Amino acid sequence: GAGVSQSPSNKVTEKGKDVELRCDPISGHTALYWYRQSLGQGLEFLIYFQGNSAPDKSGLPSDRFSAERTGGSVSTLTIQRTQQEDSAVYLCASRGTGTTLYNEQFFGPGTRLTVL
Amino acid sequence: GQQVMQIPQYQHVQEGEDFTTYCNSSTTLSNIQWYKQRPGGHPVFLIQLVKSGEVKKQKRLTFQFGEAKKNSSLHITATQTTDVGTYFCAGKTGANNLFFGTGTRLTVIP
Repeated sequence: GAGVSQSPSNKVTEKGKDVELRCDPISGHTALYWYRQSLGQGLEFLIYFQGNSAPDKSGLPSDRFSAERTGGSVSTLTIQRTQQEDSAVYLCASRGTGTTLYNEQFFGPGTRLTVL
Repeated sequence: GQQVMQIPQYQHVQEGEDFTTYCNSSTTLSNIQWYKQRPGGHPVFLIQLVKSGEVKKQKRLTFQFGEAKKNSSLHITATQTTDVGTYFCAGKTGANNLFFGTGTRLTVIP
C-alpha cells in the first residue's frame, strides 16, 4: 500500500500476557518511529530507528518494552507481561530522507491495545 | 531534557470564531512542524517552519515561528466544524528526533 500500515488494529489481552504489534512503513522510508497515545493525551515517543544505526530507545518506559526492525523495513513492538497502564493507542510513523519536501512523518492508523 | 509545551490544552469555540494555539520549547529548534489529528484518526502533517520569524499561510490557517526559534503558533480564522481535532506542534533540534507538543484539542460548536 501507499501508506503506513499497522496490525492488528485492535488488541485485547489479559494482564501478564505478551503482545506484539506490527508496523509496515512506507516503502523506502529509512526512519521509523513508535509512539504511545493514551486516551485524550499527547504523543509519547517510544523508540526511533534510522537505517542501520543503533535505535534510539530513550523513550521506552520499561524493560518490558522492546522493538525490532528487520531488514530495515517492518518493525515489531513487543510488550512483555502487559499491565493495565499499557492500555493505549500505539502509533507508528515513517519518514524518508529527501523523499518529500519537508521530510515529515507519515503516521499509521495505530493499534488500540486494551489490557484487562 | 527537551520539552515542548502547548497551550491551551483544550479550546471550545463557536463556529466562526478564531482560534490560536501556542507552542513553546525549552531549547532552540532547527525547525518546527505542525500536525492535525482528527477524532479517532492519526496525526497528519500540516506544515513545516524553518526560518526565524517565518510566517506561512494555508487558507484560514496561519503558522508563525518565533524570532528566537523557541516558540510557534497556529491561528485559525473563522473556525469551521471541519477544524475539529487536536493540533500538535513538533520541534526538531538538529537530531533526527521530533519532540511532539502536548497538543491542543479544538472543539467547534455549530
